[in-house]
Amino acid sequence: TQLLEQSPQFLSIQEGENLTVYCNSSSVFSSLQWYRQEPGEGPVLLVTVVTGGEVKKLKRLTFQFGDARKDSSLHITAAQPGDTGLYLCAGWHAGKSTFGDGTTLTVKP
Amino acid sequence: NAGVTQTPKFRILKIGQSMTLQCTQDMNHNYMYWYRQDPGMGLKLIYYSVGAGITDKGEVPNGYNVSRSTTEDFPLRLELAAPSQTSVYFCASSLSGGGAGYEQYFGPGTRLTVT
Repeated sequence: TQLLEQSPQFLSIQEGENLTVYCNSSSVFSSLQWYRQEPGEGPVLLVTVVTGGEVKKLKRLTFQFGDARKDSSLHITAAQPGDTGLYLCAGWHAGKSTFGDGTTLTVKP
Repeated sequence: NAGVTQTPKFRILKIGQSMTLQCTQDMNHNYMYWYRQDPGMGLKLIYYSVGAGITDKGEVPNGYNVSRSTTEDFPLRLELAAPSQTSVYFCASSLSGGGAGYEQYFGPGTRLTVT
């Protein structure tokens, strides 16, 4: 069983601060995805990273895939209250995904 | 284009009862998945299917069964419900299994309580 550990589990910050969420595993994944989930809804895809060392930017969000394809990070610059939600990473291997337990982010105005 | 639809949205079961959670997608996706999400946790894969007639176990398959007779439908069957099966169940579909551009589209979820 492949495991993905996300940290921190909870994060509460003020508007305008920066933050980084980590997703780590001892297993190699063919790709890794980051999702955001709002209460009462299903997760929605933010980004997919495929190549080791790959960096992708989505407005104020920066995603990085580790060189060995075992870990990933999500960095948010100048967080806004609208960024509040549950952030999930999911690693893919052989057609199946393994999700981390998520990071609950609260951005206070 | 409705995407992924799930029924029912809420259900309360008594211990030992059985039920089927329905999932339908209209995007002609080959891959379909069932996950469960416990409070404050991530998603655990129950079963998945890579096409009609093909299913395989995920991380937590015990107590569940699936079938995939058509591309569109992927029902999840709970036999002899137990309190440990209290959770939110999500169905998802994708064109392929992971990789750039192959997004999983999730349904709205079914909240199941077993008492």
